[in-house]
Amino acid sequence: DADVTQTPRNRITKTGKRIMLECSQTKGHDRMYWYRQDPGLGLQLIYYSFDVKDINKGEISDGYSVSRQAQAKFSLSLESAIPNQTALYFCATSDPGRKQFFGPGTRLTVL
Amino acid sequence: QKEVEQDPGPLSVPEGAIVSLNCTYSNSAFQYFMWYRQYSRKGPELLMYTYSSGNKEDGRFTAQVDKSSKYISLFIRDSQPSDSATYLCAMSEGGGNKLTFGTGTQLKVEL
Repeated sequence: DADVTQTPRNRITKTGKRIMLECSQTKGHDRMYWYRQDPGLGLQLIYYSFDVKDINKGEISDGYSVSRQAQAKFSLSLESAIPNQTALYFCATSDPGRKQFFGPGTRLTVL
Repeated sequence: QKEVEQDPGPLSVPEGAIVSLNCTYSNSAFQYFMWYRQYSRKGPELLMYTYSSGNKEDGRFTAQVDKSSKYISLFIRDSQPSDSATYLCAMSEGGGNKLTFGTGTQLKVEL
């Protein structure tokens, strides 16, 4: 089984809809991250969490929110989706040595 | 100017060639340097991880860091078609795990 899983893997939604992307990990890491990837822009950090009670904004948090339900679960929500949020979204975890491990990604399309 | 610059390619080489991938950066506080490999429609996979300046070798892969020039490289010897992927450099400062990524270089190794 994969160490970092993301659901759904693909999602098509309409402008204005609220959607949630979920991430679960079995690596036992405290630190979790959400990134988005756009062609030509690389990976940009949306939010990160160093433990269940610690949530921090990344470079591009506007229009997004997160919830850390447990050590193993970190969800990303788009309160009112817009077309320029169409992207690949990745969840990652890290160990104390700062190595980050990524999930398989969610391809989100906002029409 | 971006903190991390990476030539997007695409880079096409024949099987067996030596490949050189590079990134430059502007933040002198970066101390941890990584290379990730990303296959199409997959999440990034950690390939090499180095701290500070110097070389690190792992099989056919060698990572070099030159902090004085703010330049990092990944060399792939005896390249194989299975090495065809996008290679992302990433780096972080000493405190915390926030990574700054390059935009990725697309590599194609042809038979």
